[in-house]
Amino acid sequence: KQEVTQIPAALSVPEGENLVLNCSFTDSAIYNLQWFRQDPGKGLTSLLLIQSSQREQTSGRLNASLDKSSGRSTLYIAASQPGDSATYLCAVTDNYGQNFVFGPGTRLSVLP
Amino acid sequence: GAVVSQHPSWVICKSGTSVKIECRSLDFQATTMFWYRQFPKQSLMLMATSNEGSKATYEQGVEKDKFLINHASLTLSTLTVTSAHPEDSSFYICSANRLAWRETQYFGPGTRLLVL
Repeated sequence: KQEVTQIPAALSVPEGENLVLNCSFTDSAIYNLQWFRQDPGKGLTSLLLIQSSQREQTSGRLNASLDKSSGRSTLYIAASQPGDSATYLCAVTDNYGQNFVFGPGTRLSVLP
Repeated sequence: GAVVSQHPSWVICKSGTSVKIECRSLDFQATTMFWYRQFPKQSLMLMATSNEGSKATYEQGVEKDKFLINHASLTLSTLTVTSAHPEDSSFYICSANRLAWRETQYFGPGTRLLVL
């Protein structure tokens, strides 16, 4: 059974710092991996989607990498801003990308 | 873009009543819709998968008689929490796959349920 973990569980940084969020999964037979952002009491916002054949994806200040063989992904946030404060979830899928398994999330606080 | 809506966004009900939550794909047809539940400070957990016109597939530990799912059309799935109890209070999120893009899943904004 696929299990997804995320480290750290919580992170507090001053504005402007570059930071890395980590995601690990136990079964490397994934279809894709996706990073989401969730604001308190809100739904999910998709940030980056990496197909299993890809190594990384970039969007603005965000860069996500994927090492499928080792079961790891990292989300790199450059020049963090207070507006980046949220919970970041990673999720992997199998079977044509339908069934998501979510990690527990990393709660990020960026202090002004 | 592909938009998934949920209604209501907030619901408060008394213990013992039933609550229906709708999930709609507004501008695309969805082959499959998924229902997730998220308890405070926990991650999302898949409850069930529903395909249009067929019975939903429930994850282990989810009571199918308590959480009734109806996927009546390619744009609408409903989740009914029957005889709700305070422990059912949670954040419920649905997602949908586009008909032609099976690997792309779009998430609704979520429905927060509070059972008193």
